[in-house]
Amino acid sequence: ETGVTQTPRHLVMGMTNKKSLKCEQHLGHNAMYWYKQSAKKPLELMFVYSLEERVENNSVPSRFSPECPNSSHLFLHLHTLQPEDSALYLCASSQEWDRAYNEQFFGPGTRLTVL
Amino acid sequence: AQKVTQAQTEISVVEKEDVTLDCVYETRDTTYYLFWYKQPPSGELVFLIRRNSFDEQNEISGRYSWNFQKSTSSFNFTITASQVVDSAVYFCALSEDATGANNLFFGTGTRLTVIP
Repeated sequence: ETGVTQTPRHLVMGMTNKKSLKCEQHLGHNAMYWYKQSAKKPLELMFVYSLEERVENNSVPSRFSPECPNSSHLFLHLHTLQPEDSALYLCASSQEWDRAYNEQFFGPGTRLTVL
Repeated sequence: AQKVTQAQTEISVVEKEDVTLDCVYETRDTTYYLFWYKQPPSGELVFLIRRNSFDEQNEISGRYSWNFQKSTSSFNFTITASQVVDSAVYFCALSEDATGANNLFFGTGTRLTVIP
């Protein structure tokens, strides 16, 4: 049973819609991550939060807006997306962000399709 | 340049065959960590193993084994007597201690199909 849950599992939206992806971790971790997984490309790290503070923002377009209200929850707000944003969006957590040896625990992802 | 290369995009084997998944990494850091993850069709990446750069001992866990060779910058993963449940995408990843952060650099993954 995974300690990281994501909702919804599938999402289809038009380019003018606004939607949000939700992630929750039940592991007591301090760091949470958003990744984008596109076909035949390495996982792309989008955002990192450590103790609810954003510590990484890897040149992600402003149409993606993260929110971390507490250390257990992470959101990704989406608006005016483009078809090339269609991908699997994965959430992960780890014990601490500032320890390179930590393994990350992943959720099942949200499969996003932008029409 | 990509830090982690998984040259095998797709591999198919017949059940009970052994299969090795290759991973080559690139780093200037002396302290680093290598990971393998499994992504079944359900989507979530499942952590399999972590090795640090100072421990070159090979590791075996059931049907899984890992061969870490710093001389060739490789961290290969072998599944012995493969089973249908091993069908998944497998990712190799690198984390560098000098960054002071838990940022994983992933390869593009190898899709393994085990044919019954």
